[in-house]
Amino acid sequence: DAGITQSPRHKVTETGTPVTLRCHQTENHRYMYWYRQDPGHGLRLIHYSYGVKDTDKGEVSDGYSVSRSKTEDFLLTLESATSSQTSVYFCAIRTGMGSGSYEQYFGPGTRLTVT
Amino acid sequence: KNQVEQSPQSLIILEGKNCTLQCNYTVSPFSNLRWYKQDTGRGPVSLTIMTFSENTKSNGRYTATLDADTKQSSLHITASQLSDSASYICVVSAGGYGGSQGNLIFGKGTKLSVKP
Repeated sequence: DAGITQSPRHKVTETGTPVTLRCHQTENHRYMYWYRQDPGHGLRLIHYSYGVKDTDKGEVSDGYSVSRSKTEDFLLTLESATSSQTSVYFCAIRTGMGSGSYEQYFGPGTRLTVT
Repeated sequence: KNQVEQSPQSLIILEGKNCTLQCNYTVSPFSNLRWYKQDTGRGPVSLTIMTFSENTKSNGRYTATLDADTKQSSLHITASQLSDSASYICVVSAGGYGGSQGNLIFGKGTKLSVKP
């Protein structure tokens, strides 16, 4: 599992409340990613980070922000949760530096329900 | 538009049988193609990564093939086991480094159920 943990693993929250999901890695990998997975869709990239304080948007970044103040932690924040953000969220890390066949390892996921 | 299409959406087979999952892609420029296995309630786990020069790659009972000319890949599972029940996701990496996420395009997956 490449030392990736996510917390919480399950969360139910109400519309309009802020929510922060945490991804923690133990192997000091530079690249970290947040994806969401929904029925009928492939995994979709929300945001990614290529170093401390270096982040960029992915395909579905609206309504989400991220922060990375330490190499090992990558936080995903829903500023004001909406029902459309009900999903399973996966964190991932990337090993290797080249542009070729690097490996990507995924965390166990966080199931978020917005009521 | 870069896309990855998988078929079938779902598949039920009996334990011990073989099966083949398909992946067609329209991704350019192509860098590599990956197959992931995702057990229910868990994150995806990499099975194989293939570059354009690799036609076949095996990982135990899993064999992936790639035809870069027709932009097709398949994942063949031999002598299926109950533990093979999972979703199998085809992922194509678009070329270009750019210090980014490597432009991974995910298919929607094939859900395989292996019955005793």
